[in-house]
Amino acid sequence: NAGVTQTPKFQVLKTGQSMTLQCAQDMNHEYMSWYRQDPGMGLRLIHYSVGAGITDQGEVPNGYNVSRSTTEDFPLRLLSAAPSQTSVYFCASSRSSQGASRETQYFGPGTRLLVL
Amino acid sequence: DAKTTQPPSMDCAEGRAANLPCNHSTISGNEYVYWYRQIHSQGPQYIIHGLKNNETNEMASLIITEDRKSSTLILPHATLRDTAVYYCIVRVIGTYKYIFGTGTRLKVLA
Repeated sequence: NAGVTQTPKFQVLKTGQSMTLQCAQDMNHEYMSWYRQDPGMGLRLIHYSVGAGITDQGEVPNGYNVSRSTTEDFPLRLLSAAPSQTSVYFCASSRSSQGASRETQYFGPGTRLLVL
Repeated sequence: DAKTTQPPSMDCAEGRAANLPCNHSTISGNEYVYWYRQIHSQGPQYIIHGLKNNETNEMASLIITEDRKSSTLILPHATLRDTAVYYCIVRVIGTYKYIFGTGTRLKVLA
């Protein structure tokens, strides 16, 4: 299993540009989520999905869109990039949202985004 | 979700036990304690979780006080590769949320 994969590893954008961060998992996990981590801070939840076709907002959803058309993929779209979105973005997945062990999360390696 | 308080940093000698404390005095009866760690800038890695009983796995032990207001993560024989930021998280199962604080930066010294 590759686990959770994210692309690209690094990205530089200009203010106002849009882009999609890719996330895929090959563990048949139901639950997937996106976090951002600013320097010296913990992770903050952006959006999450409990299954294909179902998404919901986390703590900091503004400026981001998500969709979940398949179990495997959960892309994060930046609609109009702003310097405040400069951060490291992590995707995570877990087997389900029911049960303490089944909710342990597996994280991808992260995407480092710089918005100029 | 209950808030957690962790010391910002700790040092530990290589080969010794690393004991990382976490205070969660407002924890409710249905909240679990989870520990994750983040090595350098990688994605966080799950370590262990528990509700009220002490737990042990191949990575660590989790000791939860009887009143559940605090817990300690124990790495029995710390190595240099255990240098990381350790996050203590309390959460209700099924709420989809993980609230990551700023964690404890553990430095294992040779």
